[in-house]
Amino acid sequence: EDQVTQSPEALRLQEGESSSLNCSYTVSGLRGLFWYRQDPGKGPEFLFTLYSAGEEKEKERLKATLTKKESFLHITAPKPEDSATYLCAVLRTGTASKLTFGTGTRLQVTL
Amino acid sequence: SQTIHQWPATLVQPVGSPLSLECTVEGTSNPNLYWYRQAAGRGLQLLFYSVGIGQISSEVPQNLSASRPQDRQFILSSKKLLLSDSGFYLCAWAHGGKGETQYFGPGTRLLVL
Repeated sequence: EDQVTQSPEALRLQEGESSSLNCSYTVSGLRGLFWYRQDPGKGPEFLFTLYSAGEEKEKERLKATLTKKESFLHITAPKPEDSATYLCAVLRTGTASKLTFGTGTRLQVTL
Repeated sequence: SQTIHQWPATLVQPVGSPLSLECTVEGTSNPNLYWYRQAAGRGLQLLFYSVGIGQISSEVPQNLSASRPQDRQFILSSKKLLLSDSGFYLCAWAHGGKGETQYFGPGTRLLVL
């Protein structure tokens, strides 16, 4: 059974204080790893897809990296508007796009 | 560009009443469609997915059902709601065939009393 574990559950940063969120996964045959951002009361917003170990993708203050066992979402010099829950999900090969999600990391960035 | 709609946005229903949540997608054809439920403190749970009209796969046995009467319309239903059906229901779409990335709608907040 596919498993996704995200840590920490919650993270509080001051504006400008860089940090990383972790997503550990167990899947037999990774087809892709996905990061989403979810604001309270809204649907998840797609951020990145990573396909193979060593791959990196960046978007503004966010950078996602992938190894064979985990992915990191690095947040550089965060701003209050980066506050959200960040979700990680994996897609196994041959599963008709059935994602397995972690429970997320709730990030709060304060002034 | 593609757009996904869900309604209603919020719903309060008594136990034992029926349910119908609707999801429509614009700007694409033959998408894969998904229904998820998100409970507080838990990850997204896949309920149903569909790769075409009339084709529904169920992931979790429960008192809910899904239907896809049109290419870009996905409906989640129940004949009798339970208290445990309360939650945040999300619809998502992905490109048909080898499409992988799922794009989510705004969600429906359901409270069963």
